[in-house]
Amino acid sequence: NAGVMQNPRHLVRRRGQEARLRCSPMKGHSHVYWYRQLPEEGLKFMVYLQKENIIDESGMPKERFSAEFPKEGPSILRIQQVVRGDSAAYFCASSLGQGPNIQYFGAGTRLSVL
Amino acid sequence: RKEVEQDPGPFNVPEGATVAFNCTYSNSASQSFFWYRQDCRKEPKLLMSVYSSGNEDGRFTAQLNRASQYISLLIRDSKLSDSATYLCVVNRNSGNTPLVFGKGTRLSVIA
Repeated sequence: NAGVMQNPRHLVRRRGQEARLRCSPMKGHSHVYWYRQLPEEGLKFMVYLQKENIIDESGMPKERFSAEFPKEGPSILRIQQVVRGDSAAYFCASSLGQGPNIQYFGAGTRLSVL
Repeated sequence: RKEVEQDPGPFNVPEGATVAFNCTYSNSASQSFFWYRQDCRKEPKLLMSVYSSGNEDGRFTAQLNRASQYISLLIRDSKLSDSATYLCVVNRNSGNTPLVFGKGTRLSVIA
């Protein structure tokens, strides 16, 4: 499967635990974007990364959230000390980085905080 | 003013109908424009890019008016399988920048 792969698809955490969401971009893509979709809301940008670099994190909450895209392996979105308000669908997208910025999305991770 | 605004709908139309969705965006620096489709509890999927000259893909036609900062999507001969939420999407600026999504317009095509 050459598409954007996210795992896990569903993640349940209790308040105060950590959540780690993983994203492998489409083959040949080096640009990764994370978006969050709250229930009945549109997708909101969180962070944009290239290999080993955070390019734009203007959409990330100031505390508890971090992201990385190491030289080897998937991009990771990490949420520390989760709260109920973090319950949402988290989508990762990747793009080629050339030409029109067409982004292809993974199936998402649905995080539920109990 | 929201960066991307859409009528949330729902639009309930019979099979075979023609339906049009509109969208406005506030950032005049936006350079790329798209329509994505999102089915319930699924990821957004690219439907088509939108160009100033207008473009057509089968039953779908998209138009862009940069002067008015307005984007449209026309669906002809609606199918049941067209039922979904249609997302108007723009680039924040030129180049590889984050996408800004509208909240979407919900379409239900009824037999």
